[in-house]
Amino acid sequence: AQRVTQPEKLLSVFKGAPVELKCNYSYSGSPELFWYVQYSRQRLQLLLRHISRESIKGFTADLNKGETSFHLKKPFAQEEDSAMYYCAPRSNDYKLSFGAGTTVTVRA
Amino acid sequence: GAVVSQHPSRVICKSGTSVKIECRSLDFQATTMFWYRQFPKQSLMLMATSNEGSKATYEQGVEKDKFLINHASLTLSTLTVTSAHPEDSSFYICSARMGGGPDTQYFGPGTRLTVL
Repeated sequence: AQRVTQPEKLLSVFKGAPVELKCNYSYSGSPELFWYVQYSRQRLQLLLRHISRESIKGFTADLNKGETSFHLKKPFAQEEDSAMYYCAPRSNDYKLSFGAGTTVTVRA
Repeated sequence: GAVVSQHPSRVICKSGTSVKIECRSLDFQATTMFWYRQFPKQSLMLMATSNEGSKATYEQGVEKDKFLINHASLTLSTLTVTSAHPEDSSFYICSARMGGGPDTQYFGPGTRLTVL
């Protein structure tokens, strides 16, 4: 069965501290991995995708196929990073499966 | 950037009535549209995949006669909740896939349905 696990429901860090959101997946085939973000009162939007290998808003995510993980990291969290983050593998038929989500609060 | 709209943003209806929710891609043609449901403090659950001009494909456990999906054009998909009951109260979100290029899904703002 396809499964996405985000073990942390809530994550609270101080501004300037590193933040890491964990994501593990159990998926048949070779999914493409995404991180989506939802800021307060806004719609869901794409943060980054593993094939791009980019850093978006200071965030990076490394796909580890051996550990089936796609953890999201940022070395220095900012207050504007406070949001809900979803890890989402995508299957070959373009369907996204969302993890339970992690709420990040960055405190001043 | 690509924008997806949903209408209405919220709706309250009586039990037994049907409610139609529209999802539009405003500045691009959507190869595929997806419908999700989100319960409070829970994740998004995919309900169905909608391709223009063909029947929608539903995820396991989603009643196709209950949630009617029509994808009349490359910019519009509708979800009709038929004979709504209080347990259908939820947040319904659509996304539209822009084919080619980065092949990204863009999400609508969601529709809050409350069935009394």
